[in-house]
Amino acid sequence: KAGVTQTPRYLIKTRGQQVTLSCSPISGHRSVSWYQQTPGQGLQFLFEYFSETQRNKGNFPGRFSGRQFSNSRSEMNVSTLELGDSALYLCASSLIPGAYNEQFFGPGTRLTVL
Amino acid sequence: DQQVKQNSPSLSVQEGRISILNCDYTNSMFDYFLWYKKYPAEGPTFLISISSIKDKNEDGRFTVFLNKSAKHLSLHIVPSQPGDSAVYFCAASARGQNFVFGPGTRLSVLP
Repeated sequence: KAGVTQTPRYLIKTRGQQVTLSCSPISGHRSVSWYQQTPGQGLQFLFEYFSETQRNKGNFPGRFSGRQFSNSRSEMNVSTLELGDSALYLCASSLIPGAYNEQFFGPGTRLTVL
Repeated sequence: DQQVKQNSPSLSVQEGRISILNCDYTNSMFDYFLWYKKYPAEGPTFLISISSIKDKNEDGRFTVFLNKSAKHLSLHIVPSQPGDSAVYFCAASARGQNFVFGPGTRLSVLP
């Protein structure tokens, strides 16, 4: 069974640009969550999608958005990039949403904003 | 304000000895806890979990202890192996809510 895949793996952008990251969950998994990882902050929850609907949203500005497609693949978009957006963005999938389901993480997309 | 804290950013242990990683939380509604391990260039992988109805859960070399009154949990690795060198994240959840992660502890197991 293939794991969670994320593309691209590495990305370099400049301030003010926008970026789209992609996540393909494990086959059969319908819930996708996104996290931002920065040094010293651990993983910060961005949002969770299930059946193409945003189920939960973390405490991030509106520049961060996402969506989920009918095949459960998900994308997240960051507009008007800032230097502080440089981070590892992780996607995790699970069979169904809810706190008690184990999430399987992808390798992440390393975003660098110059 | 961080609801889940891992106050030791790093820890070094000799191979064969016990590694103890600590985690503290502030939200008394948390009732389910996970530990994840993360190697460089890989996503976190699930290690072990514990529900608030238990105070100990064991899986091979890994044991998690939960002290609800102190809002503290710890992960014990015995014996520690060089392959255990990684960043360990503690995560907590209250029913119906998403997991809150700690900042992580980098464990180095020295041969």
